[in-house]
Amino acid sequence: ETGVTQSPTHLIKTRGQQVTLRCSSQSGHNTVSWYQQALGQGPQFIFQYYREEENGRGNFPPRFSGLQFPNYSSELNVNALELDDSALYLCASSPPGQGAGELFFGEGSRLTVL
Amino acid sequence: GNSVTQMEGPVTLSEEAFLTINCTYTATGYPSLFWYVQYPGEGLQLLLKATKADDKGSNKGFEATYRKETTSFHLEKGSVQVSDSAVYFCARARMNTGFQKLVFGTGTRLLVSP
Repeated sequence: ETGVTQSPTHLIKTRGQQVTLRCSSQSGHNTVSWYQQALGQGPQFIFQYYREEENGRGNFPPRFSGLQFPNYSSELNVNALELDDSALYLCASSPPGQGAGELFFGEGSRLTVL
Repeated sequence: GNSVTQMEGPVTLSEEAFLTINCTYTATGYPSLFWYVQYPGEGLQLLLKATKADDKGSNKGFEATYRKETTSFHLEKGSVQVSDSAVYFCARARMNTGFQKLVFGTGTRLLVSP
């Protein structure tokens, strides 16, 4: 069984640029969540996708957007990058019928904004 | 508010020592509670969980009991190993209309020396 995979693992961008991060959910998992983990902090909820639609969002501005595809994979897009966007971005998937907490995380994409 | 507070690290122990990492939460009602672990270079993994008051979650020698009286969910292990060195995150579920998310503490780094 393949776990959650994310790409790229590391990337460097400059202020004002745009970035797309990708996530393949674990087999059979239909819900995908994205979290931002700043250095030395706990993960912060960005949003969640279910059936290709965003069904929940945290306290993040609209320049953070996402997609979910029919195969349940997902993308996180961030426009107009700011220095504070530097963080580890974690994707997590969960199977049908599971409540919050039954999350399976990828290893993350570490974004550095210069 | 709704938050999770855990003790600051790093916690430095010798092998076979007793471990306690404190975690308290604030919430409306009785949310499910979790401990996640992040080993170096890896994503978060669910360590254990408890879904109602007085439940005890356990895994790999770790235990935590859901205490509604003290709104706590302290993590304990009787005898730590070097391989337990990691960052430990306490989290609680937060239910919103149509979706659920996790609220994490800031994490506690555990360093176990031989």
